[in-house]
Amino acid sequence: QVHLQQWGAGLLKPSETLSLTCGVSGGSFTTHSWNWIRQPPGKGLEWIGENTHGGRTTYNSSLESRVLMSVDASRNQFSLRLSSVTAADTAIYYCARRFQYHFDHWGQGTQVTVSS
Amino acid sequence: QSMLTQPPSMSGAPGQRVTISCTGSSSNIGAADDIHWYQQLPGAAPKLLIYRNTYRPSGVPDRFSGSKSGTSASLAITGLQAEDEADYYCQSYVSSLSGSVFGGGTKLTVL
Repeated sequence: QVHLQQWGAGLLKPSETLSLTCGVSGGSFTTHSWNWIRQPPGKGLEWIGENTHGGRTTYNSSLESRVLMSVDASRNQFSLRLSSVTAADTAIYYCARRFQYHFDHWGQGTQVTVSS
Repeated sequence: QSMLTQPPSMSGAPGQRVTISCTGSSSNIGAADDIHWYQQLPGAAPKLLIYRNTYRPSGVPDRFSGSKSGTSASLAITGLQAEDEADYYCQSYVSSLSGSVFGGGTKLTVL
């Protein structure tokens, strides 16, 4: 049974860096692609980026200048860093596993609030 | 503006059939690109409902079905139940972006 458990700071001040980690248990870590997706309050889902099993990283162009995603295969974990946050980055952040071209397993979500 | 367009809201009475559309355009979502659907219950993470246009993961009731024609896809829910009240999102992987896009979501209300 695949399980994604995520953690990280939930309250940030403007200009700080968001940092979240997602731990994966069950299934194969190295043969899948790992994604971050966010959902602003009352709004829809926005894809942030992906670490592919082939070692490539791709980002949503709207966030690319501030995003850094990484993978620690030895720990079955992957991470998201988003720099220079503003109130517009307030959202629930989800980690998710991409299998083929869909997301078959999701983390529980982390509420991140940016406020001075 | 999302590359995939969904109606913001829909409603239906218990027992009825509802269909939620998801429309792309030939300039972004190709006819060969698959559409996947997710259900998000209030306060919960999204859950995979339909993948590769028509396939249901294990445990998803057969009241839920998907279809696709060209650059448009649909999610049909038959025998609507109160527990189906949720937000529904379509998603596709766009090769030209090397990433995924989501529809804006449809809020389904069971009357």
